Amino acid sequence: KNEVEQSPQNLTAQEGEFITINCSYSVGISALHWLQQHPGGGIVSLFMLSSGKKKHGRLIATINIQEKHSSLHITASHPRDSAVYICAVFSGSARQLTFGSGTQLTVLP
Amino acid sequence: NAGVMQNPRHLVRRRGQEARLRCSPMKGHSHVYWYRQLPEEGLKFMVYLQKENIIDESGMPKERFSAEFPKEGPSILRIQQVVRGDSAAYFCASSSQGRGSQPQHFGDGTRLSIL
Repeated sequence: KNEVEQSPQNLTAQEGEFITINCSYSVGISALHWLQQHPGGGIVSLFMLSSGKKKHGRLIATINIQEKHSSLHITASHPRDSAVYICAVFSGSARQLTFGSGTQLTVLP
Repeated sequence: NAGVMQNPRHLVRRRGQEARLRCSPMKGHSHVYWYRQLPEEGLKFMVYLQKENIIDESGMPKERFSAEFPKEGPSILRIQQVVRGDSAAYFCASSSQGRGSQPQHFGDGTRLSIL
C-alpha cells in the first residue's frame, strides 16, 4: 500500500461543475501539499497545510488530521483547470516529500 | 522576481555520456530538493541539499548519480554513463527553510532523453 493514495485517478467534468479530489495518507505528517502539474509539465505549488482549511480564489483545500485525509475542491471549474493535481506529504520524521500518483482532471467546455 | 530556474529544459544524451542538470533556487532560499518523474509514474524524491551540504540522499541511486550545491552557483545533479532508464523529467524545488515548515517552489523541470 502506498503511503499516499489519491482518488480518483482520472476525472472528467463539464465547465462550471464543482470538483473534489481526495488524498489519504498512512503516516504521521507535519504538512500536506497540493500541487498542480500543467500539460507542459511545470509544477505549481497550490497549498501547504497542516490543519483546517485554506482558500485561494476558486480553490479550497481541507485536511482532517485525525482521519489522515485531505480534499482539494475547485468551484466553478474551467477548461484552464485541466491539469494533473498531486497530493504530497511531509512526514514528521523524514526530510522529504512523498507524492501521490496524481489525479488527471479534464474540464470540458 | 525569478522563481526556481532549471536548465536546460530539454537535454538529449547518448548512452554512456554524462548529463548535468542545473538548478538555481529562488532568491533567499538555501534548501534545494531534486525529484525524478519517470514516464507514466509519479514524482519521487532523490536528494535534499542545503548550501554545501547533502542532508538526505536516500532517494538517489548509489551509482552514477551525484548532486552538489556549492557556496556559489547553482545546484547540479550529475548523471554519469547515462542509460535508457535515466530518461525522465527531473524537477528541482527550493524552500527558505527545511523540514517541511515552508512551501517548496518548483522549477519547470529538465526533460532528459537518452538515445
